[in-house]
Amino acid sequence: NAGVTQTPKFRVLKTGQSMTLLCAQDMNHEYMYWYRQDPGMGLRLIHYSVGEGTTAKGEVPDGYNVSRLKKQNFLLGLESAAPSQTSVYFCASSYYSGASQPQHFGDGTRLSIL
Amino acid sequence: AQSVTQPDIHITVSEGASLELRCNYSYGATPYLFWYVQSPGQGLQLLLKYFSGDTLVQGIKGFEAEFKRSQSSFNLRKPSVHWSDAAEYFCAVGSNSGYALNFGKGTSLLVTP
Repeated sequence: NAGVTQTPKFRVLKTGQSMTLLCAQDMNHEYMYWYRQDPGMGLRLIHYSVGEGTTAKGEVPDGYNVSRLKKQNFLLGLESAAPSQTSVYFCASSYYSGASQPQHFGDGTRLSIL
Repeated sequence: AQSVTQPDIHITVSEGASLELRCNYSYGATPYLFWYVQSPGQGLQLLLKYFSGDTLVQGIKGFEAEFKRSQSSFNLRKPSVHWSDAAEYFCAVGSNSGYALNFGKGTSLLVTP
């Protein structure tokens, strides 16, 4: 049972570089989420998706883009990485709305921007 | 909009002692409340949830939480802490009209021998 799988697990980027974080879930969940976790800040929602082909902005969307071309995958892109985007990124999914249903989390991607 | 406050950033307890982690929420209607645990280097794992009904909910790993509407609280408890309980604990609140949860900033639990 894989659940929610995030790749890569670690990455170091230089300022201005771009990259894509991949999230894959095998639970046939409709809803998917990207969070960032910073010390003392808890988890903050970046973007979310309520189904294939849909995306929406969360609390801290600036500097990120997302795509949900397939139901099982949710991609998070950084077009021009900045040091302020150094963080741990978590993907989550839920069958129904994650505000009323438990969310299942991946193990995170640790991203450092130099 | 709903929000969550976890007043304690760090808590230290001795192994075998009881534990209570505090969570206060702000929401006009009946909220959906969750407690998650995060072990070092891991993602978040659901401990328990409250939607309605019995205000005392049981979760995994021997944890329980009590919903108190009058105090806007949802505190997490465990009668006897084990060293493996050392982790970060997050309280979260949601609603049936929203799409995502609002998380507290977390409480870091240290367990001493």
